[in-house]
Amino acid sequence: EPEVTQTPSHQVTQMGQEVILRCVPISNHLYFYWYRQILGQKVEFLVSFYNNEISEKSEIFDDQFSVERPDGSNFTLKIRSTKLEDSAMYFCASSSRENTGELFFGEGSRLTVL
Amino acid sequence: GQNIDQPTEMTATEGAIVQINCTYQTSGFNGLFWYQQHAGEAPTFLSYNVLDGLEEKGRFSSFLSRSKGYSYLLLKELQMKDSASYLCAVLDSNYQLIWGAGTKLIIKP
Repeated sequence: EPEVTQTPSHQVTQMGQEVILRCVPISNHLYFYWYRQILGQKVEFLVSFYNNEISEKSEIFDDQFSVERPDGSNFTLKIRSTKLEDSAMYFCASSSRENTGELFFGEGSRLTVL
Repeated sequence: GQNIDQPTEMTATEGAIVQINCTYQTSGFNGLFWYQQHAGEAPTFLSYNVLDGLEEKGRFSSFLSRSKGYSYLLLKELQMKDSASYLCAVLDSNYQLIWGAGTKLIIKP
């Protein structure tokens, strides 16, 4: 069964360092998302991406964040200068249709900022 | 503002039935979704309701009343593996998924 894969599964970094989280969406999906979930809290939308550009982004997705689809398979989230409050589980998701709530999530990348 | 409310935690017995409620106030409505999330894992899609009524899928059913801003997820013949958080999410008028905080379901033998 096709799945969304994410790497790394866990990353520990120092405050102020840059982090890149990688995702390989399901191959025939066209819509990509990043969400985050701080431990014990709600899933929060960060950004959606379609046709090589950002479709929507939340208030959380400030200038410290960027996304890229560098090739035909990878979808990356970069945090330029990490803060303590960026510690969370970051989930990549993809979907085959526009404007749907049926998303396929990756297993997540746990980011710990020290 | 947009708000989704669901109980924080529920406990049920293996083999029994449990109903997890969700109420929502959102700017527009384009469907309600239930996801299951085991601890430390990704959410997985369970069900989707856009019209009023009950949608049944095996041991799981989901109900929607748009006029009341209310949904429930019904789990029958509970199994230990059903221990997880159940997330209610609504697709708003901008097709953004608004998530509830989740209901942690504890199944006891």
